[in-house]
Amino acid sequence: DTEVTQTPKHLVMGMTNKKSLKCEQHMGHRAMYWYKQKAKKPPELMFVYSYEKLSINESVPSRFSPECPNSSLLNLHLHALQPEDSALYLCASSQDIWRGGELFFGEGSRLTVL
Amino acid sequence: AQSVTQLGSHVSVSEGALVLLRCNYSSSVPPYLFWYVQYPNQGLQLLLKYTTGATLVKGINGFEAEFKKSETSFHLTKPSAHMSDAAEYFCAVSGEGNKLVFGAGTILRVKS
Repeated sequence: DTEVTQTPKHLVMGMTNKKSLKCEQHMGHRAMYWYKQKAKKPPELMFVYSYEKLSINESVPSRFSPECPNSSLLNLHLHALQPEDSALYLCASSQDIWRGGELFFGEGSRLTVL
Repeated sequence: AQSVTQLGSHVSVSEGALVLLRCNYSSSVPPYLFWYVQYPNQGLQLLLKYTTGATLVKGINGFEAEFKKSETSFHLTKPSAHMSDAAEYFCAVSGEGNKLVFGAGTILRVKS
């Protein structure tokens, strides 16, 4: 199984809503990532988890709150988002955080903030 | 710090023609380089990667890339384009924490 599964595929939320994006992998990977991809732009790193601990936070606003309940799951909790947060949110995993390891990406969750 | 520059935001080729997508990198450490492909409304799929060793790297779907340190380049090629190759291609360099820094992307169009 070489899949990273993301749910939901599409999400529409208002600025006062609270929602969550979920990501799951069963490849035994110990590193998981959240990337944000705006339309017609490359993906940009948001967070990196290594062995279920937050390793990198790319100065992401606190309205985005990541969580790694176990080595297979990664969540992104969303609260009080802005319309400019509308984007494709990509989850990825890799064996570990050593440089050069292949990242496996999910298909993404497309978020629209009204 | 690492960065990637992809020359040409759009490339158009005829079916059966050579595909050449250009990537130049900047890295303060020996670079680990990647090419990913993204089809519309999908995630990214790894085509190939260079870490160490052979500078000509073969990937999936007939793609290959050559690492040229002297030119700080990692261009992607395919001898004969297929309609199914139409997608967006991202060159990336790996940094600390296995953070991928992507280039701006190149949209490949294949004409019949």
